[in-house]
Amino acid sequence: RKEVEQDPGPFNVPEGATVAFNCTYSNSASQSFFWYRQDCRKEPKLLMSVYSSGNEDGRFTAQLNRASQYISLLIRDSKLSDSATYLCVVNSGSGGYQKVTFGTGTKLQVIP
Amino acid sequence: GAGVSQSPRYKVAKRGQDVALRCDPISGHVSLFWYQQALGQGPEFLTYFQNEAQLDKSGLPSDRFFAERPEGSVSTLKIQRTQQEDSAVYLCASSLAGVSPQHFGDGTRLSIL
Repeated sequence: RKEVEQDPGPFNVPEGATVAFNCTYSNSASQSFFWYRQDCRKEPKLLMSVYSSGNEDGRFTAQLNRASQYISLLIRDSKLSDSATYLCVVNSGSGGYQKVTFGTGTKLQVIP
Repeated sequence: GAGVSQSPRYKVAKRGQDVALRCDPISGHVSLFWYQQALGQGPEFLTYFQNEAQLDKSGLPSDRFFAERPEGSVSTLKIQRTQQEDSAVYLCASSLAGVSPQHFGDGTRLSIL
């Protein structure tokens, strides 16, 4: 089993739709979680951190389920500009040491 | 405020040549990471520095790959005797110490002919 797994998609959704992605991780000791967005031929950019209590940033909501070892990203009212690949990132380091693992990404295509 | 800077943006080399890729992290960032990203894949971890110490190089695919960060700031990833399978985008990221999020450079797109 991969350390971090994502459905590669693509998810093709109409503008205005709500879409959700999940990401599962295998290391129960993982400490911090992030969602990154990567546009074609660009570098990954931090979208949001994922907190235990869940967090929201505008149309985006991130959730963490430690018991089932997954994180999720919900996008409401999808825009054409949301089309990108969404990467799940898990940090399972301890102390000052970081062990960062990326998922392969989920591709989202928002269609008019 | 400058972000992570990588150079060159593009590099074309003939098979067998040595290449050196540079990463200039965000000032004050303790941690520095190198990743290799193939088309359609997520970034694959190569190596990680905390200041000048290379704490993890388990992702380096072979002994042809070597990374250094001698003064705890700028880092260089060197690939010796390049092979076609080394063609990829090489991403550098830096972060504050601990479990902070990473900030990426634009990457170096390496093509081996």
